[in-house]
Amino acid sequence: GAVVSQHPSWVICKSGTSVKIECRSLDFQATTMFWYRQFPKQSLMLMATSNEGSKATYEQGVEKDKFLINHASLTLSTLTVTSAHPEDSSFYICSATHRGLTDTQYFGPGTRLTVL
Amino acid sequence: GNSVTQMEGPVTLSEEAFLTINCTYTATGYPSLFWYVQYPGEGLQLLLKATKADDKGSNKGFEATYRKETTSFHLEKGSVQVSDSAVYFCALRLGYDGGSQGNLIFGKGTKLSVKP
Repeated sequence: GAVVSQHPSWVICKSGTSVKIECRSLDFQATTMFWYRQFPKQSLMLMATSNEGSKATYEQGVEKDKFLINHASLTLSTLTVTSAHPEDSSFYICSATHRGLTDTQYFGPGTRLTVL
Repeated sequence: GNSVTQMEGPVTLSEEAFLTINCTYTATGYPSLFWYVQYPGEGLQLLLKATKADDKGSNKGFEATYRKETTSFHLEKGSVQVSDSAVYFCALRLGYDGGSQGNLIFGKGTKLSVKP
């Protein structure tokens, strides 16, 4: 149980376009979802935290207008990278906490974004 | 600031060898400490955790002890198997006060390869 999926697993896009990444909790209700970014050989860096039905809380230095997060339901959160540029190329990972078990995060497999 | 430092990889061992992956942390207050494992093509999975000083987390033959005096949480296993090949991440979570919502701070990860 407690499976988190991400779609797509990888995406290539042109500079200036927008890309949407989905994060779904498949068998539980996720009250909180987290979005991380990982550069090669670097640690995961938290970008934002989202609670169902409310606005996401962004970490310092993360542009909220560039990385749009929507947590519309208890099983789905989306990250939209708007007007993507090559420097946005990275590995994006989401995680979710189960209602009632908030001390454990369940991670998705990640999405590799390459912006040309 | 708050941070996690873990040993650089990759680490290559023969089957049945003893494993140690070092992890030290810097944090205010009393964090919880975690080890996550990421198998190829999969999301991060919680391996073990410890929430207070001198606690020992254990799972699947892996162990780690929360050492407050040395600010360490080293991961050990007495006899590794080929199936243990993965990337291991050490992480800490600050308390829920201050509105952090308990987000995780990760180390850079250590890749382990076990040869038959």
